[in-house]
Amino acid sequence: AQSVTQPDIHITVSEGASLELRCNYSYGATPYLFWYVQSPGQGLQLLLKYFSGDTLVQGIKGFEAEFKRSQSSFNLRKPSVHWSDAAEYFCAVKDNYGQNFVFGPGTRLSVLP
Amino acid sequence: ETGVTQSPTHLIKTRGQQVTLRCSSQSGHNTVSWYQQALGQGPQFIFQYYREEENGRGNFPPRFSGLQFPNYSSELNVNALELDDSALYLCASSLVDDRFYGYTFGSGTRLTVV
Repeated sequence: AQSVTQPDIHITVSEGASLELRCNYSYGATPYLFWYVQSPGQGLQLLLKYFSGDTLVQGIKGFEAEFKRSQSSFNLRKPSVHWSDAAEYFCAVKDNYGQNFVFGPGTRLSVLP
Repeated sequence: ETGVTQSPTHLIKTRGQQVTLRCSSQSGHNTVSWYQQALGQGPQFIFQYYREEENGRGNFPPRFSGLQFPNYSSELNVNALELDDSALYLCASSLVDDRFYGYTFGSGTRLTVV
């Protein structure tokens, strides 16, 4: 069965610092990969997605992610974090034949002023 | 372009009762999925509907059921509510044809079972 792990439950960074959130997945083929952000009490907003092609994907709000097949990873990065980036971040995988997403447990990001 | 809308936003029910949650898909989308997100966890797939039929189901008991209507809106019904059913329920819609375009999520319904 597919699975997604996000090793960091909670990360705290200072405003203006760089950020990297880790995501590892288990899947036999190349999956469709996603990063979503969730503010408290809100639904999920898509940051970026990877289907195929260039392994470095640009998203909204200055985020990017890199797909590394050899490491089964899809880490999310941002060069300079803003206070408004404080939220919960979820990595998700959808296989090419099924219809559902498998989400990771999430990483909560706190931003210090 | 309208997004995915869910109603109600918050709901409190008593254990043993039944509940119906509603979702209006994004315009042009023909598929709807439901997810349960318990506090502090990632969303868990409940089921998906395509052309008014269930098209995939996660590890949820039969007391979780759904409907999709001709206008692609959807309902999630939960019978015999248990305390562990307290969660944020998310609806997601998508256009499914020969390609996959991604899902659009609603803001969710917060269900509290007491």
